[in-house]
Amino acid sequence: QSALTQPASVSGSLGQAITISCTGTSSDVGSYNFVSWYQQHPGKVPKVMIYEVNKRPSGVSNRFSGSKSGNTASLTISGLQAEDEADYYCCSYGGYSTSSYVFGTGTKVTVL
Amino acid sequence: QVQLVESGGGVVQPGRSLRLSCVASGFDFVNHGVHWVRQAPGKGLEWVGFISFDGRRDYLGGSVRGRFTLSRDNSKNTLYLQMDSLRDEDTAVYYCAREGLAGTETWFDPWGQGTLVTVSS
Repeated sequence: QSALTQPASVSGSLGQAITISCTGTSSDVGSYNFVSWYQQHPGKVPKVMIYEVNKRPSGVSNRFSGSKSGNTASLTISGLQAEDEADYYCCSYGGYSTSSYVFGTGTKVTVL
Repeated sequence: QVQLVESGGGVVQPGRSLRLSCVASGFDFVNHGVHWVRQAPGKGLEWVGFISFDGRRDYLGGSVRGRFTLSRDNSKNTLYLQMDSLRDEDTAVYYCAREGLAGTETWFDPWGQGTLVTVSS
C-alpha cells in the first residue's frame, strides 16, 4: 500500500492559517472516516492532533481542525504559533481487506 | 499517568532476530489494542502492525508480514514484537502506541518513547 501524499513543506506567518493536504485513494481516505493527524517535533514522540477526520482529543488546541473531501483529507492550523513548527503526518485506515493503516509522507511546517 | 515503555532495541546483523517489548501502565491494558509504528532515521512514519485487546486479532503491514509476529501477555501488561529475518531496511525507531479509545483502533494515543533497532553487519 502506497503512502498518502502530503506536501513536503508548508509555511506561514505568525497568526496566519495554513492547510496541509493528505491525498489517498478511494480504497483508504475516500472510503473511511478514519483519518488522523500527528504532530512530531524534532527528536520527540508523535502526538495525535485530530482523529476520525475532524475530532480533537482532549487537550488539543481548537486552532487545529480537520476535514475531508473525496480522497483528500486536510489539516488546518489557524492562528499559527511558533510552537506549531513541526512535522505533521496524516494516517488512514487502509480497508477491511488489508486491515492495515497507511501514513502520509509528512509535511514540515515552518513558522515565519 | 498513561505510559508505554519500549525496550529490546539494539544492533543486530541481517538475517538475525530481535524481540521488542512494550510495557504499559496507567490504564486498563486488558481493554486496549496496541499498534506498532516505526520511523527510519530521518524518514517518515510507517505502520507496522496492530494487536487487539485480547490478542485474538493481529494484523501486520506488507513489508513485515511473514517475518514479524505480534503477541501480548495481559498478566504482565506487556506487548511483544518478534522480528525475524531482519533486513537493513528494518533499521528504525520502533514505537508502540495505544489505540486512542478502547475498541477504536483507528488512531494512536499515546505513544511510547521508542526503541532504536539497527540492522547492520
